[in-house]
Amino acid sequence: EDQVTQSPEALRLQEGESSSLNCSYTVSGLRGLFWYRQDPGKGPEFLFTLYSAGEEKEKERLKATLTKKESFLHITAPKPEDSATYLCAVQASYGKLTFGQGTILTVHP
Amino acid sequence: GAGVSQSPSNKVTEKGKDVELRCDPISGHTALYWYRQSLGQGLEFLIYFQGNSAPDKSGLPSDRFSAERTGGSVSTLTIQRTQQEDSAVYLCASMAGYEQFFGPGTRLTVL
Repeated sequence: EDQVTQSPEALRLQEGESSSLNCSYTVSGLRGLFWYRQDPGKGPEFLFTLYSAGEEKEKERLKATLTKKESFLHITAPKPEDSATYLCAVQASYGKLTFGQGTILTVHP
Repeated sequence: GAGVSQSPSNKVTEKGKDVELRCDPISGHTALYWYRQSLGQGLEFLIYFQGNSAPDKSGLPSDRFSAERTGGSVSTLTIQRTQQEDSAVYLCASMAGYEQFFGPGTRLTVL
């Protein structure tokens, strides 16, 4: 059974304080690892897909990396508008996503 | 509006009533997924459609839950005889390539 574990459950940062979110996974036949951002009352918003170990992708202050067992979402010099829940999911076979519980990020000015 | 849309955005119902939730995927996306997000829980897979058929219904919690898709487009998730534990946000996603695009969800509250 596919499993995804995210840590920490919640993270509070000061504006400009860089940090990383972790996503550990077990899956048979990984097609892709996904990171989404979810704001309160909204559906998840796609950020990145990573397909193979060693791959990295960047978007503004966010950088996602992937190994065979885990993925990291690095946040550099975060701003208050980066506050959200960040979801990690793995995709196997036909496309079904298995999600972690998410990390609630709060960035204080 | 090229995104996934869902209706209603909010639904409040009484225990025992039936509800229908609607999803309009992005035009041309053949794969469609339903997920449920309960308070404090992660997203839980419910059902997957490829075209009008549902190869994987393994996530449906009970036989009170059913879903259909017509014309390879609109999908409806039906919950019969709703229970309080059905209260959650129901999210629909359509897929192009490997990427899933989510709608805003329907918040269902069962009193």
